Amino acid sequence: NAGVTQTPKFQVLKTGQSMTLQCAQDMNHNSMYWYRQDPGMGLRLIYYSASEGTTDKGEVPNGYNVSRLNKREFSLRLESAAPSQTSVYFCASSDGAPLHFGNGTRLTVT
Amino acid sequence: AQSVTQLGSHVSVSEGALVLLRCNYSSSVPPYLFWYVQYPNQGLQLLLKYTTGATLVKGINGFEAEFKKSETSFHLTKPSAHMSDAAEYFCAGGPGGATNKLIFGTGTLLAVQP
Repeated sequence: NAGVTQTPKFQVLKTGQSMTLQCAQDMNHNSMYWYRQDPGMGLRLIYYSASEGTTDKGEVPNGYNVSRLNKREFSLRLESAAPSQTSVYFCASSDGAPLHFGNGTRLTVT
Repeated sequence: AQSVTQLGSHVSVSEGALVLLRCNYSSSVPPYLFWYVQYPNQGLQLLLKYTTGATLVKGINGFEAEFKKSETSFHLTKPSAHMSDAAEYFCAGGPGGATNKLIFGTGTLLAVQP
């Protein structure tokens, strides 16, 4: 049982490049989330999807877009990466509390 | 606005000593509260949760936490630290059932000295 799987694990981008972070869960959860983790700031919610076909903004959505491709998959896209988006990105899923997290994608934007 | 505050970004204890990690929350309604642990280069794993009922909650690896409404606290404790407990710990809270409104604390990095 893999749980929540994120790809890639590491990525380096140049300013202005685009990329998509992939997330898939095999727990049949309805809700999925994207967080970013920055030192001294804990985790902040970027976007979430309460159910297949719906997405909503979280606390820090600017510069990101998401797609809930189906019940299993929830992707996060950076259209034009900026150094301020250097962070560790976590995908999570749930059916109510608690959240189940993937192992993260470490993104560096130079 | 709701908030979760973890006191102490770094805590160091000796192996075998008591572990106490502090978490306070602000909420106008009793929240759901969680402690998560993060080992290096991994995601967050649930240690324990408080939703309703018994205020003393036991979790994995010998950790427990007590919900104290009068003190708006949910401190994490373990009687005897092991080297394997070295990790970062996050407290999180939010209104019951609304996981999209979960607020995370800034984390406490626990070091365990031999």
